Amino acid sequence: EADIYQTPRYLVIGTGKKITLECSQTMGHDKMYWYQQDPGMELHLIHYSYGVNSTEKGDLSSESTVSRIRTEHFPLTLESARPSHTSQYLCASSDPGRAVGYTFGSGTRLTVV
Amino acid sequence: QKEVEQDPGPLSVPEGAIVSLNCTYSNSAFQYFMWYRQYSRKGPELLMYTYSSGNKEDGRFTAQVDKSSKYISLFIRDSQPSDSATYLCAMSEGGTGNQFYFGTGTSLTVIP
Repeated sequence: EADIYQTPRYLVIGTGKKITLECSQTMGHDKMYWYQQDPGMELHLIHYSYGVNSTEKGDLSSESTVSRIRTEHFPLTLESARPSHTSQYLCASSDPGRAVGYTFGSGTRLTVV
Repeated sequence: QKEVEQDPGPLSVPEGAIVSLNCTYSNSAFQYFMWYRQYSRKGPELLMYTYSSGNKEDGRFTAQVDKSSKYISLFIRDSQPSDSATYLCAMSEGGTGNQFYFGTGTSLTVIP
């Protein structure tokens, strides 16, 4: 069982609402990531963090923002949700003791109506 | 041009069949090649990875990398219904901390 937790699992919300997707990990990993996954499309990196107070944008332009105040917590926020934000959001972390690979959470499936 | 190309399937096979899943890529600097398995409504989990060229075997799973052709494969022997999932390939120039490039995933169903 993955030690990375995402809440909520499913969210349906109206246009214009502010939302925060939560991601927490108990493994003490410094590096954490947010990916966006749409059906039939490759995973796209939208944000990453290499440690506390470190955040960077990924290769996919996103209107979301992230913060990293604590090692274990990496929330993603949308200030004003739009239907174009409808997607699955996956949070991941990487173990410095392992050559490659992420541990992914189960994802948040967001629908903006 | 996409960094990684993967046939989306879907692929449907009878139980016990040998399954071949493939990806091609364009970046010759890729050195790490990974296969993830994603069950429905779950996040991807790392199945196995290979560094540079060659083969790697883990139980019923074999990963192959042909860097000269920029082609990687995952073979599943004696496929089981529990193997039904989406399989994603991923690649990177370096290991942990480097950007990974994912394929779109191949949906596999193993019919009992």
